[in-house]
Amino acid sequence: GAVVSQHPSWVICKSGTSVKIECRSLDFQATTMFWYRQFPKQSLMLMATSNEGSKATYEQGVEKDKFLINHASLTLSTLTVTSAHPEDSSFYICSANPQQATAYNEQFFGPGTRLTVL
Amino acid sequence: KNEVEQSPQNLTAQEGEFITINCSYSVGISALHWLQQHPGGGIVSLFMLSSGKKKHGRLIATINIQEKHSSLHITASHPRDSAVYICAVSRDSNYQLIWGAGTKLIIKP
Repeated sequence: GAVVSQHPSWVICKSGTSVKIECRSLDFQATTMFWYRQFPKQSLMLMATSNEGSKATYEQGVEKDKFLINHASLTLSTLTVTSAHPEDSSFYICSANPQQATAYNEQFFGPGTRLTVL
Repeated sequence: KNEVEQSPQNLTAQEGEFITINCSYSVGISALHWLQQHPGGGIVSLFMLSSGKKKHGRLIATINIQEKHSSLHITASHPRDSAVYICAVSRDSNYQLIWGAGTKLIIKP
């Protein structure tokens, strides 16, 4: 089946630094990728929709200057948490939609990245 | 009222029991997803349904489009089935998922 990877799987950083998280579709091309975050004991919250070659669409309340998303190719999207603060500590998950029209409704999920900001 | 409701929120059962988790939704959908999240966080897609029933091993998922309801069943449950099970729907003409709150399942040996 289709595989989505994320790197790193976990990261600990100091407050004020920036962290980049990569999401890759390994065996398919993805025109659309989604970024979610999950706080402990809560359901996933969509942060943004990332389309290859265009600007990401951010959900209400998500700061686009803080969470920079780049979808430079059909197999890679990156999320950069800029000037991270402890409240940014969370679990970040990406998902990807295959390019094929018949699979427009499928989403394949990455394993997630746990970010801890000290 | 949430657009996707799951029940129960928490479920504890003994190994071997038949498990049912329910999902109701109030919006038009093009597909419904059942996902599994183990402690440690990674999400695995179990099923994507737009009608009828699907089976994979001990897992069975059904959907009734008219009633806007889906169920996930686990037969002969095992402690390794312990996880959070999440129902999510794709709205018509929209890839984005609307998530249920999840059902935390614990299977005791």
